[in-house]
Amino acid sequence: GAGVSQSPRYKVAKRGQDVALRCDPISGHVSLFWYQQALGQGPEFLTYFQNEAQLDKSGLPSDRFFAERPEGSVSTLKIQRTQQEDSAVYLCASSPRTSLNEQFFGPGTRLTVL
Amino acid sequence: QKEVEQNSGPLSVPEGAIASLNCTYSDRGSQSFFWYRQYSGKSPELIMFIYSNGDKEDGRFTAQLNKASQYVSLLIRDSQPSDSATYLCAVRGSFQGGSEKLVFGKGTKLTVNP
Repeated sequence: GAGVSQSPRYKVAKRGQDVALRCDPISGHVSLFWYQQALGQGPEFLTYFQNEAQLDKSGLPSDRFFAERPEGSVSTLKIQRTQQEDSAVYLCASSPRTSLNEQFFGPGTRLTVL
Repeated sequence: QKEVEQNSGPLSVPEGAIASLNCTYSDRGSQSFFWYRQYSGKSPELIMFIYSNGDKEDGRFTAQLNKASQYVSLLIRDSQPSDSATYLCAVRGSFQGGSEKLVFGKGTKLTVNP
């Protein structure tokens, strides 16, 4: 079946603009994760949903970052008033509940803030 | 101390040799351990996971876990140029408030020379 998809694949924003990044998880996957990957670094956890419930948002770097998954499927990560330090690849991953946390990653959205 | 540490490399091995990748972690309550491969410009792809002490083999890959030493490794036998990538070690920590987040190391860049 289809894997995790993300859109847009590339986004260029001027500093101060708001952006919205979309994630379509694998159909039926209960858990959804957002990670941020800076150049040359490993992915850093941002937030996690189980169905529509946001169970952990401890990795969100500031209150400019907001994520939602209102119907327990598609998720949106919103960044308000973007800053240059927000430039990174934003990865979405999904996991079926029974897989002991085997996470499948989407292709990512590369965000560049000018 | 970073929660998951990897030697960032680069690690260079000749084709046909064994590549050895190492990872240490700080959370003694960690339950599960993952190795992801990430080609340049691509998203992480799961290649191995291990939950119990000892060795786990899958084709040319062997994962080794030593919980007492808080150490996990990945061996790649008969290395091929197509194995050239960054290898990310990821750890799921002790159960905290329902989060299933993964904590990643910085990654080790492997180059297999023909």
